[in-house]
Amino acid sequence: KAGVTQTPRYLIKTRGQQVTLSCSPISGHRSVSWYQQTPGQGLQFLFEYFSETQRNKGNFPGRFSGRQFSNSRSEMNVSTLELGDSALYLCASSPGQIGNTEAFFGQGTRLTVV
Amino acid sequence: AQKVTQAQTEISVVEKEDVTLDCVYETRDTTYYLFWYKQPPSGELVFLIRRNSFDEQNEISGRYSWNFQKSTSSFNFTITASQVVDSAVYFCALSRSNDYKLSFGAGTTVTVRA
Repeated sequence: KAGVTQTPRYLIKTRGQQVTLSCSPISGHRSVSWYQQTPGQGLQFLFEYFSETQRNKGNFPGRFSGRQFSNSRSEMNVSTLELGDSALYLCASSPGQIGNTEAFFGQGTRLTVV
Repeated sequence: AQKVTQAQTEISVVEKEDVTLDCVYETRDTTYYLFWYKQPPSGELVFLIRRNSFDEQNEISGRYSWNFQKSTSSFNFTITASQVVDSAVYFCALSRSNDYKLSFGAGTTVTVRA
């Protein structure tokens, strides 16, 4: 069974640009969530989608957005990039509600903003 | 609000020593879930265990064991007879019912020296 796939693995962008990250969940999993990992703030929750509906959103500015498609694949977008957006972005999928089941994570996309 | 504290930032041991990682959590909910994840250098978070708040049974899985004590709000993790491959960052996390997210501790870096 294929795991969670995130693309691209590495990305370098310039301040002010925008970026789109992609996540393909494990087949059959309908919940996809995103986390940002930085040395200073640790792992922080961005948002969670289930059947194309956002069910929860973390405390991030509106520059961070996401969506989920009917095949459960998800994308997150960051507009007007800032240096502080440099981070490892991790996607997780689960068959149902996190808590009732475990979340499986991808290897992440390492974004560097210069 | 919910909070997870991993007071140990780094632990370094020699192979075959036992390692215990501390996790203390705060939540006002009666139903919640606790997790441990391992993050090797490759970046992805690897699920280790999930516990719900009604199940205080300790668990052993191979060289891993977990001690869940609601009275002290702790969910500690022990690696017995550590190996070099156990070197990683270990995260404790908490999820509330119907919250659809994981709240992570800051992580503990474990280094096992040969």
